[in-house]
Amino acid sequence: SAVISQKPSRDICQRGTSLTIQCQVDSQVTMMFWYRQQPGQSLTLIATANQGSEATYESGFVIDKFPISRPNLTFSTLTVSNMSPEDSSIYLCSVVDRSRLYFGNIQYFGAGTRLSVL
Amino acid sequence: QQPVQSPQAVILREGEDAVINCSSSKALYSVHWYRQKHGEAPVFLMILLKGGEQMRHEKISASFNEKKQQSSLYLTASQLSYSGTYFCGTESGASYDKVIFGPGTSLSVIP
Repeated sequence: SAVISQKPSRDICQRGTSLTIQCQVDSQVTMMFWYRQQPGQSLTLIATANQGSEATYESGFVIDKFPISRPNLTFSTLTVSNMSPEDSSIYLCSVVDRSRLYFGNIQYFGAGTRLSVL
Repeated sequence: QQPVQSPQAVILREGEDAVINCSSSKALYSVHWYRQKHGEAPVFLMILLKGGEQMRHEKISASFNEKKQQSSLYLTASQLSYSGTYFCGTESGASYDKVIFGPGTSLSVIP
């Protein structure tokens, strides 16, 4: 299974600033995803980050607010721009790995970045 | 479209059984089940594929009814370690696109 390192693990930021979250995987993966999880809520997909092409954003999320980079097959960053208290949440990186055992695609998650905006 | 999960929350005594249901209004290719403990990342439990068999992970098993677009997760003889939030995720295409997660079911196992 893929091992994902996500940094920072938590941060407290001021309104109007930006934070870049890094996601490093121990193997090459084609598809990487960024999710947001509000306390006690489900996982909401922000965007799909694909190497060599622009990220694909879900409804309600825009590139100006959440720019994503994917310079290679093991690394991606998500930036939360011009933050407001409503951006306080947990942001998770996820990758897909083909499973020989289950004959399907398995998603693995990083530990998440807990963001608080004051 | 987000799948629906039921129940929203359940409290069990150690050794009791539970069933968590997941349903979708869309035709499904696969259903994924994850467990998330407080403050931790979601952890993969199992995946059920269209045309596949019922799956099992230790004392947890799951089924997938393709025609009804439903999946159920069965927790047998629950242990304290089973506590957490269970999410089902649904995939609609054979070519991997994205998984849409349900709202989650909070499971608490007490001694």
